[in-house]
Amino acid sequence: GAGVSQSPSNKVTEKGKDVELRCDPISGHTALYWYRQSLGQGLEFLIYFQGNSAPDKSGLPSDRFSAERTGGSVSTLTIQRTQQEDSAVYLCASSLAGLEAFFGQGTRLTVV
Amino acid sequence: DQQVKQNSPSLSVQEGRISILNCDYTNSMFDYFLWYKKYPAEGPTFLISISSIKDKNEDGRFTVFLNKSAKHLSLHIVPSQPGDSAVYFCAASAHAGNMLTFGGGTRLMVKP
Repeated sequence: GAGVSQSPSNKVTEKGKDVELRCDPISGHTALYWYRQSLGQGLEFLIYFQGNSAPDKSGLPSDRFSAERTGGSVSTLTIQRTQQEDSAVYLCASSLAGLEAFFGQGTRLTVV
Repeated sequence: DQQVKQNSPSLSVQEGRISILNCDYTNSMFDYFLWYKKYPAEGPTFLISISSIKDKNEDGRFTVFLNKSAKHLSLHIVPSQPGDSAVYFCAASAHAGNMLTFGGGTRLMVKP
């Protein structure tokens, strides 16, 4: 597709379950970001992948969060043992290095 | 430590008047700045950018001003329209290839 694609668009999960969120970046974009936006809050940086470099994981809020990017393309954000405070919109973006990032529509995660 | 700050969480403007959104940064290595607009239930969309070699960039109703000595940038929208009502995020990066750091956002409300 032409844009950044995220799936699922909505996810409701029970507290304690693991979830996987997927991001398909724009083809050829070397940089990939994950952010989240909790209700009424700004964009919270989670993790950044750039080419083959080690990812910048400094924004991950706890060790329950992990992300990988396979083959320099698709990325998966995994949240283990979800908690209610994990409820947020998770946004993925991709860019050519350092230039404007293009965002997907986000995955709305609700932990009940 | 917030490297990019938007100190006004919200702004209300009358239709037809000028909207001025402000952003401050602390990292003197930042040399590329962007503004994004976000509607509810959508991902942020790129609006306008400016490189540190310039102090102004204009695109239609949108103008971004950069004051490097003050580490301050602003987005001017004139004339403001009700459809401009959204959350606006500023972002910055240090050199091509580095990640984007976002501010917390300002909610703009343009009243008819």
